[in-house]
Amino acid sequence: QKEVEQDPGPLSVPEGAIVSLNCTYSNSAFQYFMWYRQYSRKGPELLMYTYSSGNKEDGRFTAQVDKSSKYISLFIRDSQPSDSATYLCAMSAGGGNQFYFGTGTSLTVIP
Amino acid sequence: GAVVSQHPSWVICKSGTSVKIECRSLDFQATTMFWYRQFPKQSLMLMATSNEGSKATYEQGVEKDKFLINHASLTLSTLTVTSAHPEDSSFYICSAPGTSGSYNEQFFGPGTRLTVL
Repeated sequence: QKEVEQDPGPLSVPEGAIVSLNCTYSNSAFQYFMWYRQYSRKGPELLMYTYSSGNKEDGRFTAQVDKSSKYISLFIRDSQPSDSATYLCAMSAGGGNQFYFGTGTSLTVIP
Repeated sequence: GAVVSQHPSWVICKSGTSVKIECRSLDFQATTMFWYRQFPKQSLMLMATSNEGSKATYEQGVEKDKFLINHASLTLSTLTVTSAHPEDSSFYICSAPGTSGSYNEQFFGPGTRLTVL
């Protein structure tokens, strides 16, 4: 079983739609949860960073962590064509421990 | 802040040659940097942790004699792919912890695409 599971998509939505991206994990020691956006042939860009359970909102982006279900989500409201990218979840146990990445979900927002 | 650069962004080389990739933290110091490899449509796989002033730590299955890492200063780490072969063709990405010092806020470079002919 992989440490982190993420549906690779591809996911295609019309502009203005709400997008839901999800990851599940198996390691209960994970405490830090990140979402990265990666454009084609570019390095990942940190979008959201959450510690432990709960919600975090930043503009059109909301990250949710449910540690009891080992499930994290990223919601994008009012999606824009510029949001078209691959979204990677990442998590770690902290203390300098290794990051574990999902395989990434490819998102296309159609104008 | 927290900008990480990589050079070159794209390199094509012949099989058997060596290629050096640089990773720099532009506006902060990084005593630790991480090197990842990403194959098409796959996730990032950690190859090694680069430590300034000491030897790099390699992940299981990564040949340290093939992927030489040198953390020359607090702002520069280099990855040298020695005797590259076509199976080494991949996207190589480095990262560094952000200015908070937390390993959980890693900032990534733009990546280096290596193609070995």
